[in-house]
Amino acid sequence: AQSVSQHNHHVILSEAASLELGCNYSYGGTVNLFWYVQYPGQHLQLLLKYFSGDPLVKGIKGFEAEFIKSKFSFNLRKPSVQWSDTAEYFCAVNTYTGTASKLTFGTGTRLQVTL
Amino acid sequence: DGGITQSPKYLFRKEGQNVTLSCEQNLNHDAMYWYRQDPGQGLRLIYYSQIVNDFQKGDIAEGYSVSREKKESFPLTVTSAQKNPTAFYLCASSTIGLAGNTGELFFGEGSRLTVL
Repeated sequence: AQSVSQHNHHVILSEAASLELGCNYSYGGTVNLFWYVQYPGQHLQLLLKYFSGDPLVKGIKGFEAEFIKSKFSFNLRKPSVQWSDTAEYFCAVNTYTGTASKLTFGTGTRLQVTL
Repeated sequence: DGGITQSPKYLFRKEGQNVTLSCEQNLNHDAMYWYRQDPGQGLRLIYYSQIVNDFQKGDIAEGYSVSREKKESFPLTVTSAQKNPTAFYLCASSTIGLAGNTGELFFGEGSRLTVL
């Protein structure tokens, strides 16, 4: 069965620091990749997604992620975080075979940005 | 506005009682999902449905049941057989691509169930 690993459970950064959150998955077939964000008190929303094409994808609020197929990774990055980026971030991987599709989430990374 | 509506937002129940959580969407999405969110465990899939009158078990379906009689509605029943029902439950919907892949998930605001 496929799995998604987010190795950083809790990250604390100062404003303007650079961010990289790791995401690795264990499936050798075709995948679609997503990062979702959950701000305090709000519902989950899409940050960015990769379906095909350029492996470097850009999302909202200055976030980007790079799909590295050989490393089964889809790490999330932001050059300079803001206090408002404090949230929980979830990586998700959709695996599909033409007859079945399944979306699996990682355990999440809680990001705390301090002033 | 288009979106997903979950109700109730908060629910308390006594042990041994079944409860049903409502999820309605007006996005015309074919697929609907129920996830359970627990601290430190991320989102775990309970059930999903890609077409009316059909649904599939997810990773933690035991103690739960669903129905999909209408495209817009996907209610979840938490039965008394569920050993640890206290949790935050999220409903989501998505389109389904031509290749069968799942599009972006749109989430409701969630229902928090507490068993007393």
